[in-house]
Amino acid sequence: DIVLTQSPALAVSLEQRATISCKTSQNVDNYGISYMHWYQQKPGQQPKLLIYEGSNLASGIPARFSGSGSGTDFTLTIDPVEADDIATYYCQQSKDYPFTFGSGTKLEIK
Amino acid sequence: EVQLVESGGGLVQPGRSLKLSCLASGFTFSNYGMNWIRQAPGKGLEWVASISSSSSYIYYADTVKGRFTISRDNAKNTLYLQMTSLRSEDTALYYCARGGLPGYNHWFAYWGQGTLVTVSS
Repeated sequence: DIVLTQSPALAVSLEQRATISCKTSQNVDNYGISYMHWYQQKPGQQPKLLIYEGSNLASGIPARFSGSGSGTDFTLTIDPVEADDIATYYCQQSKDYPFTFGSGTKLEIK
Repeated sequence: EVQLVESGGGLVQPGRSLKLSCLASGFTFSNYGMNWIRQAPGKGLEWVASISSSSSYIYYADTVKGRFTISRDNAKNTLYLQMTSLRSEDTALYYCARGGLPGYNHWFAYWGQGTLVTVSS
Protein backbone atom coordinates (compact mmCIF):
# COMPACT_ATOMS: atom_id res chain seq x y z
CA ASP A 1 0.00 0.00 0.00
CA ILE A 2 1.12 3.57 -0.65
CA VAL A 3 1.72 5.40 2.63
CA LEU A 4 1.11 9.16 2.80
CA THR A 5 2.91 11.12 5.49
CA GLN A 6 1.71 14.49 6.79
CA SER A 7 2.82 16.59 9.75
CA PRO A 8 0.20 16.50 12.51
CA ALA A 9 -0.19 20.25 12.94
CA LEU A 10 0.82 23.62 11.58
CA ALA A 11 0.46 27.01 13.25
CA VAL A 12 0.28 30.08 11.01
CA SER A 13 -0.62 33.73 11.55
CA LEU A 14 -3.64 35.19 9.81
CA GLU A 15 -2.90 36.65 6.38
CA GLN A 16 0.32 34.65 6.16
CA ARG A 17 1.08 31.67 3.96
CA ALA A 18 0.50 28.08 5.07
CA THR A 19 2.28 25.20 3.34
CA ILE A 20 1.09 21.72 4.13
CA SER A 21 3.26 18.84 3.01
CA CYS A 22 2.37 15.31 1.94
CA LYS A 23 5.06 12.74 1.16
CA THR A 24 4.26 9.39 -0.42
CA SER A 25 6.10 6.09 -0.08
CA GLN A 26 5.88 5.54 -3.84
CA ASN A 27 5.63 7.70 -6.93
CA VAL A 28 1.98 8.63 -7.52
CA ASP A 29 2.54 10.13 -10.97
CA ASN A 30 1.64 8.34 -14.16
CA TYR A 31 1.73 9.63 -17.75
CA GLY A 32 2.12 13.19 -16.54
CA ILE A 33 -0.77 13.08 -14.08
CA SER A 34 -0.27 13.31 -10.35
CA TYR A 35 -2.84 11.15 -8.61
CA MET A 36 -2.80 13.32 -5.52
CA HIS A 37 -5.84 15.10 -4.12
CA TRP A 38 -6.49 17.38 -1.14
CA TYR A 39 -9.46 17.77 1.20
CA GLN A 40 -10.45 20.16 3.98
CA GLN A 41 -12.44 18.95 6.95
CA LYS A 42 -13.84 21.36 9.51
CA PRO A 43 -14.98 20.05 12.91
CA GLY A 44 -18.33 18.30 12.70
CA GLN A 45 -18.46 18.50 8.92
CA GLN A 46 -17.80 16.16 6.04
CA PRO A 47 -14.59 16.58 4.05
CA LYS A 48 -14.58 18.94 1.09
CA LEU A 49 -12.50 18.52 -2.07
CA LEU A 50 -10.00 21.35 -2.56
CA ILE A 51 -7.51 20.17 -5.17
CA TYR A 52 -7.50 17.23 -7.57
CA GLU A 53 -4.72 15.71 -9.64
CA GLY A 54 -2.03 17.64 -7.86
CA SER A 55 -2.86 21.20 -8.85
CA ASN A 56 -6.41 21.54 -10.16
CA LEU A 57 -8.67 23.75 -8.08
CA ALA A 58 -12.04 22.16 -7.35
CA SER A 59 -15.23 24.02 -8.21
CA GLY A 60 -16.08 26.85 -5.83
CA ILE A 61 -12.76 26.77 -4.00
CA PRO A 62 -11.06 30.18 -3.57
CA ALA A 63 -7.86 30.84 -5.45
CA ARG A 64 -6.09 31.25 -2.09
CA PHE A 65 -5.74 27.48 -2.21
CA SER A 66 -3.22 25.89 -4.55
CA GLY A 67 -1.54 22.53 -4.97
CA SER A 68 1.87 21.65 -6.30
CA GLY A 69 4.40 18.86 -6.45
CA SER A 70 5.05 15.64 -8.26
CA GLY A 71 6.36 12.15 -7.73
CA THR A 72 6.50 11.65 -3.99
CA ASP A 73 6.41 15.22 -2.66
CA PHE A 74 3.30 17.37 -2.71
CA THR A 75 2.26 20.65 -1.12
CA LEU A 76 -1.01 22.38 -0.40
CA THR A 77 -0.58 26.14 -0.05
CA ILE A 78 -3.06 28.56 1.48
CA ASP A 79 -2.14 32.19 0.86
CA PRO A 80 -3.27 34.22 2.62
CA VAL A 81 -4.69 32.22 5.51
CA GLU A 82 -8.08 33.35 6.76
CA ALA A 83 -9.79 32.50 10.05
CA ASP A 84 -12.29 30.31 8.16
CA ASP A 85 -9.44 28.04 7.04
CA ILE A 86 -9.08 26.48 10.47
CA ALA A 87 -9.53 22.80 9.69
CA THR A 88 -7.75 19.52 9.17
CA TYR A 89 -6.31 18.95 5.72
CA TYR A 90 -5.92 15.49 4.18
CA CYS A 91 -4.05 14.31 1.12
CA GLN A 92 -5.22 11.24 -0.78
CA GLN A 93 -3.62 9.16 -3.54
CA SER A 94 -5.41 7.29 -6.29
CA LYS A 95 -2.41 5.95 -8.20
CA ASP A 96 -3.14 2.45 -6.88
CA TYR A 97 -5.77 0.63 -4.94
CA PRO A 98 -6.18 0.66 -2.04
CA PHE A 99 -6.69 4.39 -2.13
CA THR A 100 -5.02 5.88 0.90
CA PHE A 101 -5.17 9.10 2.88
CA GLY A 102 -2.58 10.93 4.87
CA SER A 103 -3.21 11.19 8.60
CA GLY A 104 -4.16 14.85 8.30
CA THR A 105 -2.60 18.18 9.19
CA LYS A 106 -4.48 20.37 11.63
CA LEU A 107 -4.12 24.04 10.76
CA GLU A 108 -4.02 26.33 13.77
CA ILE A 109 -3.76 30.08 14.11
CA LYS A 110 -0.82 31.55 15.98
CA GLU B 1 -27.35 20.52 -6.44
CA VAL B 2 -25.57 17.27 -5.71
CA GLN B 3 -26.90 15.58 -2.59
CA LEU B 4 -25.81 12.34 -0.94
CA VAL B 5 -27.84 11.15 2.03
CA GLU B 6 -26.61 8.16 4.01
CA SER B 7 -28.80 6.05 6.25
CA GLY B 8 -28.83 2.72 8.03
CA GLY B 9 -26.27 3.33 10.73
CA GLY B 10 -26.81 2.46 14.37
CA LEU B 11 -25.67 0.39 17.32
CA VAL B 12 -24.94 -3.24 16.50
CA GLN B 13 -23.35 -6.09 18.42
CA PRO B 14 -20.03 -7.59 17.34
CA GLY B 15 -20.48 -10.32 14.76
CA ARG B 16 -23.77 -8.96 13.52
CA SER B 17 -24.64 -7.34 10.19
CA LEU B 18 -25.81 -3.94 9.02
CA LYS B 19 -26.65 -2.45 5.63
CA LEU B 20 -25.97 1.18 4.81
CA SER B 21 -27.66 3.11 2.02
CA CYS B 22 -26.79 6.32 0.22
CA LEU B 23 -29.49 8.07 -1.79
CA ALA B 24 -28.08 10.32 -4.50
CA SER B 25 -29.69 13.25 -6.28
CA GLY B 26 -28.74 16.24 -8.38
CA PHE B 27 -26.66 14.32 -10.93
CA THR B 28 -26.90 11.33 -13.25
CA PHE B 29 -26.07 8.63 -10.74
CA SER B 30 -25.49 5.91 -13.33
CA ASN B 31 -22.59 7.86 -14.85
CA TYR B 32 -20.39 8.06 -11.76
CA GLY B 33 -18.24 5.78 -9.68
CA MET B 34 -19.17 5.79 -6.01
CA ASN B 35 -17.29 5.20 -2.81
CA TRP B 36 -17.54 4.53 0.91
CA ILE B 37 -15.05 6.19 3.24
CA ARG B 38 -15.11 5.94 7.01
CA GLN B 39 -13.76 7.91 9.94
CA ALA B 40 -13.39 6.41 13.39
CA PRO B 41 -14.15 8.81 16.26
CA GLY B 42 -11.35 11.37 16.53
CA LYS B 43 -9.34 9.70 13.77
CA GLY B 44 -8.50 10.26 10.12
CA LEU B 45 -10.15 9.15 6.91
CA GLU B 46 -10.03 5.56 5.69
CA TRP B 47 -11.15 4.51 2.21
CA VAL B 48 -13.41 1.45 2.44
CA ALA B 49 -14.69 0.51 -1.01
CA SER B 50 -15.31 1.75 -4.55
CA ILE B 51 -17.68 0.69 -7.31
CA SER B 52 -17.68 1.78 -10.93
CA SER B 53 -20.71 3.29 -12.63
CA SER B 54 -21.95 -0.03 -14.05
CA SER B 55 -20.72 -2.16 -11.14
CA SER B 56 -18.12 -3.76 -13.39
CA TYR B 57 -15.22 -2.83 -11.14
CA ILE B 58 -15.28 -3.16 -7.36
CA TYR B 59 -12.44 -2.63 -4.90
CA TYR B 60 -12.14 -3.04 -1.14
CA ALA B 61 -9.74 -2.13 1.60
CA ASP B 62 -8.03 -5.19 3.06
CA THR B 63 -9.56 -4.38 6.45
CA VAL B 64 -13.07 -5.09 5.13
CA LYS B 65 -12.49 -7.51 2.25
CA GLY B 66 -14.60 -10.62 2.65
CA ARG B 67 -16.88 -8.96 5.20
CA PHE B 68 -18.28 -5.91 3.40
CA THR B 69 -20.03 -5.76 0.02
CA ILE B 70 -20.52 -2.58 -1.97
CA SER B 71 -23.34 -2.47 -4.51
CA ARG B 72 -25.57 -0.02 -6.30
CA ASP B 73 -29.00 0.23 -7.88
CA ASN B 74 -28.84 2.77 -10.67
CA ALA B 75 -32.62 2.68 -11.13
CA LYS B 76 -33.02 3.80 -7.52
CA ASN B 77 -30.04 6.18 -7.46
CA THR B 78 -28.81 4.33 -4.40
CA LEU B 79 -25.46 3.04 -3.20
CA TYR B 80 -25.23 0.30 -0.58
CA LEU B 81 -22.72 -1.15 1.84
CA GLN B 82 -23.59 -4.53 3.32
CA MET B 83 -21.47 -5.09 6.40
CA THR B 84 -21.20 -8.51 8.04
CA SER B 85 -19.12 -9.95 10.88
CA LEU B 86 -18.82 -6.49 12.35
CA ARG B 87 -15.99 -5.76 14.76
CA SER B 88 -15.43 -3.00 17.30
CA GLU B 89 -12.81 -1.50 14.99
CA ASP B 90 -15.53 -0.94 12.35
CA THR B 91 -17.04 1.73 14.61
CA ALA B 92 -16.95 4.90 12.54
CA LEU B 93 -18.84 7.56 10.66
CA TYR B 94 -19.41 6.14 7.18
CA TYR B 95 -19.43 8.61 4.31
CA CYS B 96 -20.74 8.06 0.82
CA ALA B 97 -18.76 9.99 -1.81
CA ARG B 98 -19.12 10.54 -5.54
CA GLY B 99 -16.27 10.24 -7.98
CA GLY B 100 -14.87 13.33 -9.64
CA LEU B 101 -15.87 12.87 -13.26
CA PRO B 102 -18.17 10.52 -15.18
CA GLY B 103 -16.42 7.19 -15.38
CA TYR B 104 -13.37 8.56 -13.56
CA ASN B 105 -13.36 7.71 -9.90
CA HIS B 106 -10.00 8.95 -8.65
CA TRP B 107 -11.06 11.69 -6.28
CA PHE B 108 -14.07 12.30 -4.10
CA ALA B 109 -15.85 15.38 -5.37
CA TYR B 110 -18.95 15.28 -3.15
CA TRP B 111 -19.53 13.76 0.27
CA GLY B 112 -22.61 13.00 2.27
CA GLN B 113 -23.01 13.93 5.95
CA GLY B 114 -22.25 10.39 7.03
CA THR B 115 -24.04 7.73 9.05
CA LEU B 116 -22.64 6.52 12.36
CA VAL B 117 -22.03 2.83 12.94
CA THR B 118 -21.24 1.75 16.48
CA VAL B 119 -20.21 -1.85 17.10
CA SER B 120 -20.49 -2.71 20.76
CA SER B 121 -22.00 -5.29 23.04
